[in-house]
Amino acid sequence: QSVLTQPPSVSAAPGQKVTISCSGSSSNIGNNYVSWYQQLPGTAPKLLIYDNDKRPSGIPDRFSGSKSGTSVTLGITGLQTGDEADYHCGTWDSSLNARVFGGGTKLTVL
Amino acid sequence: QVQLVQSGAEVKKPGASVKVSCKASGYIFTSYGTSWMRQAPGQGLEWVGWISGYNGNTNYAQKFQGRVTMTTDTSTSTASMELRSLRSDDTAVYYCARDDSSAHSVYWGQGTLVTVSS
Repeated sequence: QSVLTQPPSVSAAPGQKVTISCSGSSSNIGNNYVSWYQQLPGTAPKLLIYDNDKRPSGIPDRFSGSKSGTSVTLGITGLQTGDEADYHCGTWDSSLNARVFGGGTKLTVL
Repeated sequence: QVQLVQSGAEVKKPGASVKVSCKASGYIFTSYGTSWMRQAPGQGLEWVGWISGYNGNTNYAQKFQGRVTMTTDTSTSTASMELRSLRSDDTAVYYCARDDSSAHSVYWGQGTLVTVSS
């Protein structure tokens, strides 16, 4: 029952491209910046994308973010086995006055 | 370099309280707020609340209002979160994170596992 909706899982072959969606509403994604986090098993989340489409230093350009209305998408190209992780979207919700997250998406690189 | 180091794992009985600390280094503590998130086993991230490093103002998620207290000690650059009246569904890894602009966090603590079990 997360405020933001993500698919539970996605998969793709090494070298391919995958996209992960995250949908919300006008009180969160529609009017606030979104960030994406990668979480490897047993570790803390790592920031991949902030302000919808910006990458922190050190994050390769294989990772990209885009936004349209009340949905955002994380794109990963040139998939590597090391990309297998959980991916979380997050933003601010102006109605709840709280940070909100999606339920997370497990990426499997087949 | 920026680091957030959290206190160690805790095991508590239902109804008890737990206090998790988060010691910051590598930046001016009073220039940033600290958010606390938690992640139950196999679940997504859940925001617990936020505290200002500047003046100690807080903003708690409605779900935790009345059960949580966040504090800071600027002399040691440490933020703390106390959760009371623990239940089994409070079992989770609790993370602190430095709050950057537009509600995102670059720097996270390593996480603290809190287990609530009779």
